[in-house]
Amino acid sequence: DAGITQSPRHKVTETGTPVTLRCHQTENHRYMYWYRQDPGHGLRLIHYSYGVKDTDKGEVSDGYSVSRSKTEDFLLTLESATSSQTSVYFCAISDGTGKRPQHFGDGTRLSIL
Amino acid sequence: SQELEQSPQSLIVQEGKNLTINCTSSKTLYGLYWYKQKYGEGLIFLMMLQKGGEEKSHEKITAKLDEKKQQSSLHITASQPSHAGIYLCGADPTGNQFYFGTGTSLTVIP
Repeated sequence: DAGITQSPRHKVTETGTPVTLRCHQTENHRYMYWYRQDPGHGLRLIHYSYGVKDTDKGEVSDGYSVSRSKTEDFLLTLESATSSQTSVYFCAISDGTGKRPQHFGDGTRLSIL
Repeated sequence: SQELEQSPQSLIVQEGKNLTINCTSSKTLYGLYWYKQKYGEGLIFLMMLQKGGEEKSHEKITAKLDEKKQQSSLHITASQPSHAGIYLCGADPTGNQFYFGTGTSLTVIP
């Protein structure tokens, strides 16, 4: 299995609080992605990174920011969490061959009350 | 907007029954991927189809890409409880970004 660790795996927080999710990889892959999974929508891309300090928006980026200061870590931040951001969040990585993410973390279940 | 639509959204079948999941795009697909997700885990790659009419099989799962390369089907023969999970197709129909389908949740009743 590819070395991808997401933390935390579960989190419950209140509306308006900041939340940071972490993705850590040991594969030295160039590309890292954050997705959210919601019923009826499959996985939707939030942000992705194509190198250290190089990031770009996905189709559902509003309300989220990311940072990548090291190859192995990709952080997703909700500056002021809203109930609509309750979801399961997945990190994925790719070595860049093709455009698809190749390996996925086990997800973070985030509930915003 | 949904670039890839899957049907049905959910499926409950008795163990031993056959089933089919569909993935449809309004654009030509140059590479269609199928993934399986066990509940509470990440996605696992199943197979990739590229050519119109192409068909691939892995154990009791068969996937096919139609001649027009706008629809793919995933067929499971003699379903087992181990087949339960969420199945997603994925592709880059716009040439700009990889999209996932809307997902199909499969429950297999022993």
